[in-house]
Amino acid sequence: DQQVKQNSPSLSVQEGRISILNCDYTNSMFDYFLWYKKYPAEGPTFLISISSIKDKNEDGRFTVFLNKSAKHLSLHIVPSQPGDSAVYFCAAPEESNYQLIWGAGTKLIIKP
Amino acid sequence: KAGVTQTPRYLIKTRGQQVTLSCSPISGHRSVSWYQQTPGQGLQFLFEYFSETQRNKGNFPGRFSGRQFSNSRSEMNVSTLELGDSALYLCASSLEGQGATSQETQYFGPGTRLLVL
Repeated sequence: DQQVKQNSPSLSVQEGRISILNCDYTNSMFDYFLWYKKYPAEGPTFLISISSIKDKNEDGRFTVFLNKSAKHLSLHIVPSQPGDSAVYFCAAPEESNYQLIWGAGTKLIIKP
Repeated sequence: KAGVTQTPRYLIKTRGQQVTLSCSPISGHRSVSWYQQTPGQGLQFLFEYFSETQRNKGNFPGRFSGRQFSNSRSEMNVSTLELGDSALYLCASSLEGQGATSQETQYFGPGTRLLVL
C-alpha cells in the first residue's frame, strides 16, 4: 500500500506559467514533508519542506501547501522556467526511524 | 567539497550472478543510506549505515546486504540476481542522519544503474 502517492506521472506547462504538482498521503502520523527535484543522471536534491504545524511554506518561486484534513500537499512553481524541467518527488519521514517514504514522482516538462 | 560518488555508474549482469556497488560519502558524513528506484516507483529504502553499523533496514529480502567501512565508504551487495533487481541504486550521505529534518541535509549520489538480463 503506497503511503505517499503522486498520481500524475507527468505534467507539461508553458514557460512563465504556474506549475502545480500534487501529492497525497494516507498515513495521518506523517508530520513533515519534503519535495525533491531530480535531473537525469543525477541524484535527487532537496527542494523545500513543510511541517504539519504550517499550511504553507515559501522559498522564492517555490511554495508548498499542506491540507492536513485532505491529506494532500502541493508544490507550486511560479513562474516556471526551463530549468525546472525535472522529476519531482514528495516524501515523508516515517515516525519510527525517520526514513523517507517516497512518492513515485512527477515528470515536469516546461515548454518554451 | 566533493559530492557523493558511486561506482560503477552502469552495470549489466545476468540472473543468478551477484553484484557489489560502492558509495563514497561526502567527507565527514557518517551516515550512508541506500535506495532502490524502479520505473514508476518512488525510491525504496534499503538500509542505512552509521559508524560501520546498520542502523535501519527496509523491507528487502536477505539477498540485499551492505556494509560500511571505517572511512564511511559503503558497499551494497545483491546476491542471486533476479530480473526484478534491475533498477537505479542510489546512495545518500548525511552527517548524522537522525531526525526528520536531517533528511534535508541528505545528499544523493548520481546512482548506479543495474540491468539484469
